[in-house]
Amino acid sequence: QKEVEQNSGPLSVPEGAIASLNCTYSDRGSQSFFWYRQYSGKSPELIMSIYSNGDKEDGRFTAQLNKASQYVSLLIRDSQPSDSATYLCAVNERDNFNKFYFGSGTKLNVKP
Amino acid sequence: DAGITQSPRHKVTETGTPVTLRCHQTENHRYMYWYRQDPGHGLRLIHYSYGVKDTDKGEVSDGYSVSRSKTEDFLLTLESATSSQTSVYFCAISESPVSNTGELFFGEGSRLTVL
Repeated sequence: QKEVEQNSGPLSVPEGAIASLNCTYSDRGSQSFFWYRQYSGKSPELIMSIYSNGDKEDGRFTAQLNKASQYVSLLIRDSQPSDSATYLCAVNERDNFNKFYFGSGTKLNVKP
Repeated sequence: DAGITQSPRHKVTETGTPVTLRCHQTENHRYMYWYRQDPGHGLRLIHYSYGVKDTDKGEVSDGYSVSRSKTEDFLLTLESATSSQTSVYFCAISESPVSNTGELFFGEGSRLTVL
């Protein structure tokens, strides 16, 4: 059984602060890593992907991957109330029928 | 947005009745997936397909079957619905991981209530 663990939250941060979301995974065969954002009642939407160790930045978002520690994180700088959502971590096994496994998500609240 | 259409979007049914959810894609992607999402459990993989007539079980496949007779359509069937299958069901698609980064795109979801 693949395990993808996230703190369910809620994580509350003030507007303008940095939000830090964390995820650990159990399978060292995992090859690709993704962060999805899901607003209440909506479907998940992809916000970041990362495939190699280190940092990847896209606008206000930075994904960090450490395969040795089996850890992936998402930093959101200058958090806005519109960032309030549930953030899902996903890992992918491209060599195993391209299956994707998800954590249960972290709920983020950004307070104005 | 990826061209993924799920139908029906909402359905209420009674225990013991069969239910079929349909996922239709216009992207010609190879891989298709059915997930269910329940509070506290996140997204759990029910079944997936890696080509026409090529399907396999995911983490929570008991009570579900699937079929894929065309690239664009992936059907999820509950042979005899139970209250534990009340959930939101998401279809997702992905292109071949060889040709691109293999990102997963979701349909809008189908909310199923089994009374």
